[in-house]
Amino acid sequence: GEDVEQSLFLSVREGDSSVINCTYTDSSSTYLYWYKQEPGAGLQLLTYIFSNMDMKQDQRLTVLLNKKDKHLSLRIADTQTGDSAIYFCALRGFQKLVFGTGTRLLVSP
Amino acid sequence: KAGVTQTPRYLIKTRGQQVTLSCSPISGHRSVSWYQQTPGQGLQFLFEYFSETQRNKGNFPGRFSGRQFSNSRSEMNVSTLELGDSALYLCASSLGGDGKETQYFGPGTRLLVL
Repeated sequence: GEDVEQSLFLSVREGDSSVINCTYTDSSSTYLYWYKQEPGAGLQLLTYIFSNMDMKQDQRLTVLLNKKDKHLSLRIADTQTGDSAIYFCALRGFQKLVFGTGTRLLVSP
Repeated sequence: KAGVTQTPRYLIKTRGQQVTLSCSPISGHRSVSWYQQTPGQGLQFLFEYFSETQRNKGNFPGRFSGRQFSNSRSEMNVSTLELGDSALYLCASSLGGDGKETQYFGPGTRLLVL
């Protein structure tokens, strides 16, 4: 089955850039997503990238996709304390999402 | 447009009981998926419904079931609750046509089994 891995924890200072990484085994997904989860809340869709793209920029967010290495990353520019949350990458299989383990981002002032 | 809504938001049950959770999708969305989130197993797919039919099912025991109504609202049921069923249950909706559209999540129902 699909396997999606993320590092568990990332700590940055306010104003720095954050890079959250995700590696996966199944390369058949057409869409790859990033979701954000704040404490006690559901999942908020941040952005997504189509599998035939290498990069997508959306305001402070930049998604990079390396299909050869099966590596997806999310860069958050000018990270703010409000960005502290858990970030999940997810691969779109047929009729379901396969999620990574989640990366907890802590932003300190 | 209103987002995905889930009721109730919090629930406390005891072992052996059963529970029903409800999900109302975004207007116009016909697909509803359910996920279980636990600290140990992370986010796992339960099942997906489209036009009142279950199209896909994850690897969960038969105690977990669901259904979808003609207005696309969905319910999931867990019978004979076990302690390990304590989790955040998330519902997601999508347009649903080809099974590949973006999924939008509700706030979840947090279930505690004592």
